Amino acid sequence: DTEVTQTPKHLVMGMTNKKSLKCEQHMGHRAMYWYKQKAKKPPELMFVYSYEKLSINESVPSRFSPECPNSSLLNLHLHALQPEDSALYLCASSQVGQGGRNYGYTFGSGTRLTVV
Amino acid sequence: DAKTTQPNSMESNEEEPVHLPCNHSTISGTDYIHWYRQLPSQGPEYVIHGLTSNVNNRMASLAIAEDRKSSTLILHRATLRDAAVYYCILMIRGTSYGKLTFGQGTILTVHP
Repeated sequence: DTEVTQTPKHLVMGMTNKKSLKCEQHMGHRAMYWYKQKAKKPPELMFVYSYEKLSINESVPSRFSPECPNSSLLNLHLHALQPEDSALYLCASSQVGQGGRNYGYTFGSGTRLTVV
Repeated sequence: DAKTTQPNSMESNEEEPVHLPCNHSTISGTDYIHWYRQLPSQGPEYVIHGLTSNVNNRMASLAIAEDRKSSTLILHRATLRDAAVYYCILMIRGTSYGKLTFGQGTILTVHP
């Protein structure tokens, strides 16, 4: 299995709703990432998990809450979002670079989120 | 983070080679050069990466200048499926995880 699977593919939610995005990989990668991509813009890093621990939070508002319950799963919990949070949310994974080595990322196809 | 500079857009004809340039004049000795591409309505896709020597894989070749201040992604025979946004990104070598920061990228259009 060489894929990162994201569900759902599309999500419409109201500003008072609570929803979760799910990301799964079975490649044995121990680093996982959430990115946000607005239309016609490059992806922006939100969170990095390494060995199931949060390593980087790029000053993301607390209405986005990540969770890594095990080495294969990454969730993004959403609460009280704003319409400007509408975007494509991408999950990625990679091997953890050690001994000077460096690895590429594998991205999922994303969840297209619309906040109404 | 060291920055990269790419042309906003490039065009090519099908079955011709494509050379996508990237400038990274502030690259440090510990930075790897990564290339990703993003097809419409898809997540980014890893293409290739390298440190100092030229690299080849089934998708493309990466030519790195001797001073490492620039690099070129080479698609040997462009197809319509290669139309995408191509991102050149620097990543610090040997970190326990990579921090991939995307720039604006180059929009590649391939004409039949």
